[in-house]
Amino acid sequence: GAVVSQHPSRVICKSGTSVKIECRSLDFQATTMFWYRQFPKQSLMLMATSNEGSKATYEQGVEKDKFLINHASLTLSTLTVTSAHPEDSSFYICSARGEEWGNYGYTFGSGTRLTVV
Amino acid sequence: EDQVTQSPEALRLQEGESSSLNCSYTVSGLRGLFWYRQDPGKGPEFLFTLYSAGEEKEKERLKATLTKKESFLHITAPKPEDSATYLCAVPPFSGGYNKLIFGAGTRLAVHP
Repeated sequence: GAVVSQHPSRVICKSGTSVKIECRSLDFQATTMFWYRQFPKQSLMLMATSNEGSKATYEQGVEKDKFLINHASLTLSTLTVTSAHPEDSSFYICSARGEEWGNYGYTFGSGTRLTVV
Repeated sequence: EDQVTQSPEALRLQEGESSSLNCSYTVSGLRGLFWYRQDPGKGPEFLFTLYSAGEEKEKERLKATLTKKESFLHITAPKPEDSATYLCAVPPFSGGYNKLIFGAGTRLAVHP
C-alpha cells in the first residue's frame, strides 16, 4: 500500500514551453502533497505544499507564477512549469501524506527528470 | 535555525565491511527523524522513523539509532545492492508537521 505514481519520468521540452507533471496517490487519499526539486548530488529542496481544494503554499524564493500547482482532488496534484528555461532543468519529486497516517506518513513518487533545451 | 547535517558525504565500502552513517540535527523539539534510501534517478524510499532518544529500528542489514543530537544508520555486512544515497530528514519545529528538512545525504558505494 501507500503508492505514489509520478508521470512522466522523463521529459524534454523546448525553452519557452510549459510542462505538466502529475502526481497520483494510487491506494490512499492524499490530503497533502509536496513538491521537491533536486539538483545533482544535492538534497531535496521543498518547493511547495498543496492541500486538496486550496491554494498551494510556496517556499521562500519559489516563483508561484512559474511553478503552478493544482491539487483538485484527493488523489491528484499537478505541477506545471510555465515558460520553461534551461535553468529549470532539474529532478522534480512529489510526496504525499495520507490523513490516516497521522503526522509522519510520507511517500515519494519516482521523480521526473525535466530537461529544457 | 533548524538544520540537518549528514556525514560522511560519500562512503566507499567493501562488501561485508560494516560501517555507520551519521545524521546530526538541530531542531527545537524533535518530532521524529526519518531515514530514506534514494537510488539514482528515483524518489526516496522510506526506511525508518525514530521518535525518541534511545529508540532503535532494524531492517535487514540496516539499524537506525537515535540520541538527543544525532542519529546513526548502521550497515552490517553490506552488499553491493545496498549502494545508494541515504537521506535523513526532520520536521522543523515551526511550520507544522507538513514539512521535512533533508540533509544532503551520504552516497554509499559497496564494492564486491
